[in-house]
Amino acid sequence: DVKVTQSSRYLVKRTGEKVFLECVQDMDHENMFWYRQDPGLGLRLIYFSYDVKMKEKGDIPEGYSVSREKKERFSLILESASTNQTSMYLCAVISAGDQETQYFGPGTRLLVL
Amino acid sequence: RKEVEQDPGPFNVPEGATVAFNCTYSNSASQSFFWYRQDCRKEPKLLMSVYSSGNEDGRFTAQLNRASQYISLLIRDSKLSDSATYLCVVGTGGFKTIFGAGTRLFVKA
Repeated sequence: DVKVTQSSRYLVKRTGEKVFLECVQDMDHENMFWYRQDPGLGLRLIYFSYDVKMKEKGDIPEGYSVSREKKERFSLILESASTNQTSMYLCAVISAGDQETQYFGPGTRLLVL
Repeated sequence: RKEVEQDPGPFNVPEGATVAFNCTYSNSASQSFFWYRQDCRKEPKLLMSVYSSGNEDGRFTAQLNRASQYISLLIRDSKLSDSATYLCVVGTGGFKTIFGAGTRLFVKA
């Protein structure tokens, strides 16, 4: 099984702080994704990356940036956290060879005060 | 209108019951379809893919109706451990997938 880890399970930050969320996978998969999950809205795609240093905007990229310097690591950055970025953040990985299955990390619950 | 719509529930059913969830999608060009399961405070995990011919995995049956643009999930002989949120997921090409908001199921003893 693919193992996807996220740097924190719970995080509390103040408005205006810069926030780093990190995702690491152990299976050398090419495609990595960042979602946020909010009640009643489902998962919404923020950014994805299909290779090192490659990134594509998802549906809600505003207020976020990403970094992929190594294949196994995909970071989500909140440049200046705001209260409306309080959410559950989920990282996912897809293998190019098995495009059907997304493997998710355990999620990071971020609270911005 | 949301691209993928599900009844949020909750569905409260007794053990042993049969329960069905539907999900509708708006993009007729959608190419792939899935059901994911998400336990409380956990990450989503793939339950099953949904094929045009329908597919079955033990107590779970998934169906796709392209003409009406909906997919369904049937759970027979519900167990307590089936209590979870079921997410309908639609792939629109490449690696882009759209998630429904989920349907909550509670199975009671």
